[in-house]
Amino acid sequence: EVQLLESGGGLVQPGGSLRLSCAASGFTFDSYVMNWVRQAPGKGLEWVSGISGSGGSTYYADSVKGRFTISRDISKNTLFLQMNSLRAEDTAVYYCAKDTIIAARPYYFDFWGQGILVTVSS
Amino acid sequence: SYELTQPPSVSVSAGQTASITCSGDKLGDHYACWYQQKPGQPPLLVIYQDNTRPSGIPERFSGSTSGNTATLTVSGTQAMDEAVYYCQAWGSSTPIIFGGGTKLTVL
Repeated sequence: EVQLLESGGGLVQPGGSLRLSCAASGFTFDSYVMNWVRQAPGKGLEWVSGISGSGGSTYYADSVKGRFTISRDISKNTLFLQMNSLRAEDTAVYYCAKDTIIAARPYYFDFWGQGILVTVSS
Repeated sequence: SYELTQPPSVSVSAGQTASITCSGDKLGDHYACWYQQKPGQPPLLVIYQDNTRPSGIPERFSGSTSGNTATLTVSGTQAMDEAVYYCQAWGSSTPIIFGGGTKLTVL
């Protein structure tokens, strides 16, 4: 059974940093692109970032480029999102999501974690 | 920037067919997919590669694309289908794009 469990969320001041983790199990972790998708309170979905199975290729939304860094530890089956220079508009539930097909870039997401709340506020 | 446009809401009587559209300039070049999201839950993939259902998704969910419009069709809509539905596509300059979401209300 595929399981994705996010952790590391919480309250942070504007300009601060936070590191999210996503522990994965139930599938061959290094075969699939992994992604972060966020949802601001009462709003729609926004893709944030993706990383290839090997970790050699990374992809970012323009809204987070230069501030967020995605990475993965294949030995620990864990996905990370390092978030720096956080802004109020980064407040959202952040989901970890597995890609559906084995490929080098993001396509569609067949398994999602339950999400973790990040609040950026003073 | 590339955008996907969905109607904010669609209503359907129980047992009838609901259609939710998603329009985007390059949808004809790339497959779309659809997610269902109920309150307090993560999204659930219901259709990908235009009209492929993941395991466990009922046959009443189907998808199609004509030109630059993708359509999610729910046949014989049930009360449990009430949710927000998001279309999503992939591109070159922006890897992943979501539509704004459509609230499906089952009357």
